[in-house]
Amino acid sequence: EDKVVQSPLSLVVHEGDTVTLNCSYEVTNFRSLLWYKQEKKAPTFLFMLTSSGIEKKSGRLSSILDKKELFSILNITATQTGDSAIYLCAVAGYPQGAQKLVFGQGTRLTINP
Amino acid sequence: GAVVSQHPSRVICKSGTSVKIECRSLDFQATTMFWYRQFPKQSLMLMATSNEGSKATYEQGVEKDKFLINHASLTLSTLTVTSAHPEDSSFYICSVARQGNGNQPQHFGDGTRLSIL
Repeated sequence: EDKVVQSPLSLVVHEGDTVTLNCSYEVTNFRSLLWYKQEKKAPTFLFMLTSSGIEKKSGRLSSILDKKELFSILNITATQTGDSAIYLCAVAGYPQGAQKLVFGQGTRLTINP
Repeated sequence: GAVVSQHPSRVICKSGTSVKIECRSLDFQATTMFWYRQFPKQSLMLMATSNEGSKATYEQGVEKDKFLINHASLTLSTLTVTSAHPEDSSFYICSVARQGNGNQPQHFGDGTRLSIL
């Protein structure tokens, strides 16, 4: 059975800190790993990773995938209160066509001023 | 701008009512859309894959007669929760992915919070 596990489940830090969120997975026919940010409504797309070792970056956020260890991390530097959200990791395991996503439990990140 | 429009955003109704939720792809035609359910403090669980012009594919444990899916056009899929009961109260979210080589991210609607009294 396909499985995605995120850690920690909850994290509270001060503004300005750097955080690292973890995602490990077991999935057949791996296609890609995706990170989403969920605030009050539906998830918004952050990154899609398909190749090992290539860092994707967007402002203060970055992410990298290790397909050998079946692991990904999401880094946020110089955190701001607006980064408070649930961060979801999902893996697409369908061999072709539109993807079926398996989600992890999410990491609830709280940034205190 | 938004890629996916989902409506309504909130529904409160009595037990036994049927509720229809619409999901529209705004930016592109979508032969496939996805319906998820999210219970409080839990992650998203895929319920079904909606296929334009054919029957939806349901995940194990999801009752197809309870959650009717219609994907009548390339931009619209609907989920109808039939004879809803309190245990159906949840956050329902749809998503679409641009077709192509299969490696396109899914974009989510804003979700529908369903409360059955």
